[in-house]
Amino acid sequence: DAGITQSPRHKVTETGTPVTLRCHQTENHRYMYWYRQDPGHGLRLIHYSYGVKDTDKGEVSDGYSVSRSKTEDFLLTLESATSSQTSVYFCAVESGSGEEQYFGPGTRLTVT
Amino acid sequence: GESVGLHLPTLSVQEGDNSIINCAYSNSASDYFIWYKQESGKGPQFIIDIRSNMDKRQGQRVTVLLNKTVKHLSLQIAATQPGDSAVYFCAAREGGGNKLTFGTGTQLKVEL
Repeated sequence: DAGITQSPRHKVTETGTPVTLRCHQTENHRYMYWYRQDPGHGLRLIHYSYGVKDTDKGEVSDGYSVSRSKTEDFLLTLESATSSQTSVYFCAVESGSGEEQYFGPGTRLTVT
Repeated sequence: GESVGLHLPTLSVQEGDNSIINCAYSNSASDYFIWYKQESGKGPQFIIDIRSNMDKRQGQRVTVLLNKTVKHLSLQIAATQPGDSAVYFCAAREGGGNKLTFGTGTQLKVEL
């Protein structure tokens, strides 16, 4: 499992509330990614990080922000959750540029 | 940009038969490809990867074939077992980048 944990694993929240998802890794990987997975779509990149305090946007970044203050933690924040953000969120890590990505177990988020 | 698609949303095979799952990509600049397996309720699991300087790579019971001319890759699973039942999807990376583009997945069902 490449030493990746995600928390919480399940969350139900109301529209308009802020939500933070956490990805934690234990193997000192440089690159970390946040994806969302929805029926009918492949995994879609939200944001990624290429080092502490170094982040960049993916293809579906609107409504999301990220932070990486330590190598091991990558946080995804929904500033004001909307029903369209109901999804399964996966964190992934990559040890070096151009290498394979390994995924965490996912967080199922429901926004009511 | 890149788009990645799988040819069949579902594939049913008999236990012991070989399975072939196909994937097409659009960007000729893509130079790295990965196959993932995802079981229900779990994160994607890395199976095998291949770089564009190769046309075939083998792992344990799996083989990936890459045809750059027609921008197509396939995953072959030998002697398919019930434990192989899952969603399989491919991902492609454009040369020099970090971002993967994922296909939507093929559900493999193994019939006893």
